[in-house]
Amino acid sequence: KAGVTQTPRYLIKTRGQQVTLSCSPISGHRSVSWYQQTPGQGLQFLFEYFSETQRNKGNFPGRFSGRQFSNSRSEMNVSTLELGDSALYLCASSPRSQPGEKLFFGSGTQLSVL
Amino acid sequence: AQSVTQLGSHVSVSEGALVLLRCNYSSSVPPYLFWYVQYPNQGLQLLLKYTTGATLVKGINGFEAEFKKSETSFHLTKPSAHMSDAAEYFCAVSDRAAGGTSYGKLTFGQGTILTVHP
Repeated sequence: KAGVTQTPRYLIKTRGQQVTLSCSPISGHRSVSWYQQTPGQGLQFLFEYFSETQRNKGNFPGRFSGRQFSNSRSEMNVSTLELGDSALYLCASSPRSQPGEKLFFGSGTQLSVL
Repeated sequence: AQSVTQLGSHVSVSEGALVLLRCNYSSSVPPYLFWYVQYPNQGLQLLLKYTTGATLVKGINGFEAEFKKSETSFHLTKPSAHMSDAAEYFCAVSDRAAGGTSYGKLTFGQGTILTVHP
């Protein structure tokens, strides 16, 4: 089985722009989560989707949004980019959306905001 | 709210030496516990997890961890370090209460970078 695929791998944007990141989960997985990783804040939960419904959202401003499609692929969008949004954005998938489940992570999208 | 503390942001060992990475959690109810590893320029990979049952959990690559409720700890160990173990290690927890708002959400510690010297 192919793993979790995130595109693009690297992205450079300027302040004020918006960006869309894509995640294709492992085939058969219906849950997709997004995490932001920075040297200062570490790994922080953004949101989780299951069967096209947002199940949980982290403590991030409304500029961060996401969605999931019927084929379980997910996108996250960040509008009005700020310098502090520079981070590695990781997507993870799992078969269901239950506590205790193993998450399968992609390699991430490295976003740099200039 | 749950929290995870990893003692030591950097740990350095010699090849063949014991690896001990410390993790303590704060939760009113013992959560599910995980250790993930991240190699440079890669995503995270699950090493092991504790959900229920035996408190000593064995994982991949020779790692194991022991859940100690009285100490609210879940330390990760490996008897003999290998150069390939050099990576960043994350302890994580998820809410044990099914049907709550946490679902599959993980709360991560700050990570411990393991360096292995020849």
